[in-house]
Amino acid sequence: KQEVTQIPAALSVPEGENLVLNCSFTDSAIYNLQWFRQDPGKGLTSLLLIQSSQREQTSGRLNASLDKSSGRSTLYIAASQPGDSATYLCAVSMWSSYKLIFGSGTRLLVRP
Amino acid sequence: DAGVIQSPRHEVTEMGQEVTLRCKPISGHDYLFWYRQTMMRGLELLIYFNNNVPIDDSGMPEDRFSAKMPNASFSTLKIQPSEPRDSAVYFCASSLGRSNTGELFFGEGSRLTVL
Repeated sequence: KQEVTQIPAALSVPEGENLVLNCSFTDSAIYNLQWFRQDPGKGLTSLLLIQSSQREQTSGRLNASLDKSSGRSTLYIAASQPGDSATYLCAVSMWSSYKLIFGSGTRLLVRP
Repeated sequence: DAGVIQSPRHEVTEMGQEVTLRCKPISGHDYLFWYRQTMMRGLELLIYFNNNVPIDDSGMPEDRFSAKMPNASFSTLKIQPSEPRDSAVYFCASSLGRSNTGELFFGEGSRLTVL
């Protein structure tokens, strides 16, 4: 059974810092991996999607990497801003199913 | 496109009452998913549809929950009778499936409180 873990559960950094959020999964037979952002009381916003054949994806200040063999993905946020404060969730889907299996998220606070 | 639209955004009801949550997926998307989010259990998939047909309902908690998708632009999740432990945020999401990237797009959610 696929399990997705995100560490740390919470992170507080000063504005301007570069930071890395971690996601690990137990079964490497994934179809894709998606990173989402969730603001309090809101839905999930898709940030980046990495197909299983890809190693990384970039969008603006965000870069996500995927290492299937080790069961890990990282989300790198450059030059963090207070507006980046939110919960970040990663989720994987398997070749055998369209289900997205979510991690529990990392709650990020960027202090001005 | 307007994105995935859910209603109501907030629902407060009493135990034993019927609750109906509604979802309009993004036009052209052929997959629709219902998720539930709680502090204790995080995000859980309840059921998903492909071309209006339920594919996997193994996440539906019990017979009190039912979901339908009568056409490509509308789905409902019904709880009857509701219980306090059903209190959660229910999200609907849609996707073009793996003919595209398989990226999921979520609605704003329906926050349900059962007293």
